[in-house]
Amino acid sequence: GDSVTQMEGPVTLSEEAFLTINCTYTATGYPSLFWYVQYPGEGLQLLLKATKADDKGSNKGFEATYRKETTSFHLEKGSVQVSDSAVYFCALSGQGAQKLVFGQGTRLTINP
Amino acid sequence: GAVVSQHPSWVICKSGTSVKIECRSLDFQATTMFWYRQFPKQSLMLMATSNEGSKATYEQGVEKDKFLINHASLTLSTLTVTSAHPEDSSFYICSAPPQSVTDTQYFGPGTRLTVL
Repeated sequence: GDSVTQMEGPVTLSEEAFLTINCTYTATGYPSLFWYVQYPGEGLQLLLKATKADDKGSNKGFEATYRKETTSFHLEKGSVQVSDSAVYFCALSGQGAQKLVFGQGTRLTINP
Repeated sequence: GAVVSQHPSWVICKSGTSVKIECRSLDFQATTMFWYRQFPKQSLMLMATSNEGSKATYEQGVEKDKFLINHASLTLSTLTVTSAHPEDSSFYICSAPPQSVTDTQYFGPGTRLTVL
């Protein structure tokens, strides 16, 4: 079945550092790919998404490119802030399906 | 953005009792809602798909008689954990895609269930 594998955390960085959180997937057909973020005490929020190969999703300075050849959707940000501290989840939805398959989540802590 | 609420936000119950968790879409209609379970420091695992006006679809390994789902209207789905036991303690999260935007889902804030 479909699956998502994320870089294990926790990840701790200093403010203004460059961030990469790796995500790879296994799926049949052409899934849609997502990054969700869960801030402390809050529900999951969609951060960005890409629905076809070579699409780049971006939001709040974060970017991820749908790479079909490497089955990856790595999350990047050039300069992180303390307010980016949260748990990040990579997820996919299969072609024509709505239900999401999540990676294990990566806890990110940014120190001032 | 769209809002999904859950009630209660946390609940503590005795072993053997039943607990009902509500999931509401506040400003949009959803024919489908999803129920997830999240263990500490782990990912969300899909439990079931709640379908308005019809039976829920359960994922493999999820006991449908233990986790009763009712999707009574286009804005409300309920999950009832029957005869709860300590191993049912977990964080339960619902999500809903608006009817008009099916590749986007909005998540509720979650319900923390603790069974003593």
